[in-house]
Amino acid sequence: QVQLVQSGPEVKKPGSSVKVSCKASGDTFSYYAISWLRQAPGQGLEWMGGVIPIFDIPPTYAQDFQGRVTITADKSTSTSYMELGGLKSEDTAVYYCARGGFVVGAMGSFYFDFWGQGTLVTVSS
Amino acid sequence: DIQVTQSPSSLSASVGDRVTITCQASQDISNSLHWYQQKAGKAPKLLIFDGFHLETGVPSRFSGSASGTNFTFTISSLQPEDIASYYCQHYDNFPRFGGGTKVEVK
Repeated sequence: QVQLVQSGPEVKKPGSSVKVSCKASGDTFSYYAISWLRQAPGQGLEWMGGVIPIFDIPPTYAQDFQGRVTITADKSTSTSYMELGGLKSEDTAVYYCARGGFVVGAMGSFYFDFWGQGTLVTVSS
Repeated sequence: DIQVTQSPSSLSASVGDRVTITCQASQDISNSLHWYQQKAGKAPKLLIFDGFHLETGVPSRFSGSASGTNFTFTISSLQPEDIASYYCQHYDNFPRFGGGTKVEVK
């Protein structure tokens, strides 16, 4: 059974950056797409971007987050990281990692079958 | 861009009722439409993928169907533990979610 375990809650000042981790276990980390999504309070789900660790190609990012988000994957520790910079109060949200969401070649899936527990990031002065 | 409209945004039903949620796509998306359940304070959970395939371990009272660009998610007999928000999701250049349906018990 795949498990995705995320790092704990964060409180950040406007203009700073936050880095959230997502450690995978239970299956071959490198061969799947790992996506990052977020959900603002009372709002819907928004995909930010993702990476397929086995491929040495740049991650894929949603246009709304281009230039502000960096997603990486460490195959040696089966951990993905999402760093979001230039934080604003509107970035206050629960951030999720999830398996799937996009396809490159024969790798990935268009749906999300396993999710992390979520990480609350609060941006406040 | 392919637009997918989810309705209703909320509904209230009694235990044992049949509950139906729809997502309508603006263009053909084959059966590439997926359904998630999200309980309060929890991560979403995949229930149905590719239109009508039940994810492993999901109770059979949940089902999905497709007819052209119209997709339907059904709970055949609402249970108290089904109180949650439900989202449809498709892929159009990137994953996109419907606006969600909040299901409450009368």
